[in-house]
Amino acid sequence: AQSVSQHNHHVILSEAASLELGCNYSYGGTVNLFWYVQYPGQHLQLLLKYFSGDPLVKGIKGFEAEFIKSKFSFNLRKPSVQWSDTAEYFCAVISNNAGNMLTFGGGTRLMVKP
Amino acid sequence: DAGVIQSPRHEVTEMGQEVTLRCKPISGHDYLFWYRQTMMRGLELLIYFNNNVPIDDSGMPEDRFSAKMPNASFSTLKIQPSEPRDSAVYFCASSLSGDHLPNFGPGTRLTVL
Repeated sequence: AQSVSQHNHHVILSEAASLELGCNYSYGGTVNLFWYVQYPGQHLQLLLKYFSGDPLVKGIKGFEAEFIKSKFSFNLRKPSVQWSDTAEYFCAVISNNAGNMLTFGGGTRLMVKP
Repeated sequence: DAGVIQSPRHEVTEMGQEVTLRCKPISGHDYLFWYRQTMMRGLELLIYFNNNVPIDDSGMPEDRFSAKMPNASFSTLKIQPSEPRDSAVYFCASSLSGDHLPNFGPGTRLTVL
């Protein structure tokens, strides 16, 4: 079945540590890839997106993600996290093989200790 | 633009009662989505509409759930009768065809006692 997997369900880091959150998908065909962030008590906000072109995508707040087609991955990275990055992060995929619908991964809860 | 508007923001009800969640999409957007978020299952797509027409409702969990979109600026998600396992945050999102970029509303936190 087509799916989006985020293998890290909970991540705890200290401030200034580097972050990498994994995202893998099993769709074929053309894909558009997204990372959304949900801060405590707030709604989903788009962090960054990949449609085409440079597979290294820069987003807001110092986040970036790299699309590796051969690995079906779109991992999220940040070189130095801050306490304010504490949130839940969702990877999402739209595939033209899946009716162009946005499908989310299970989410990763990030806690950054001050 | 005010973004996607959802009401109520919080709803507490008793098992067996009817619950209606409301959504106003961004003006001009022709896709509307209803998602449910729970700790156990994450974010699930329940149903989506294109030009007010339901396209895929395969994510609707049971017949107790129904959704309507009577016009381009309003949609409802109804649960009748509600059960405690329906407790979740329900998000509405809208997008413009071709941009594949859903804009999410603030969500409705539903608690069924």
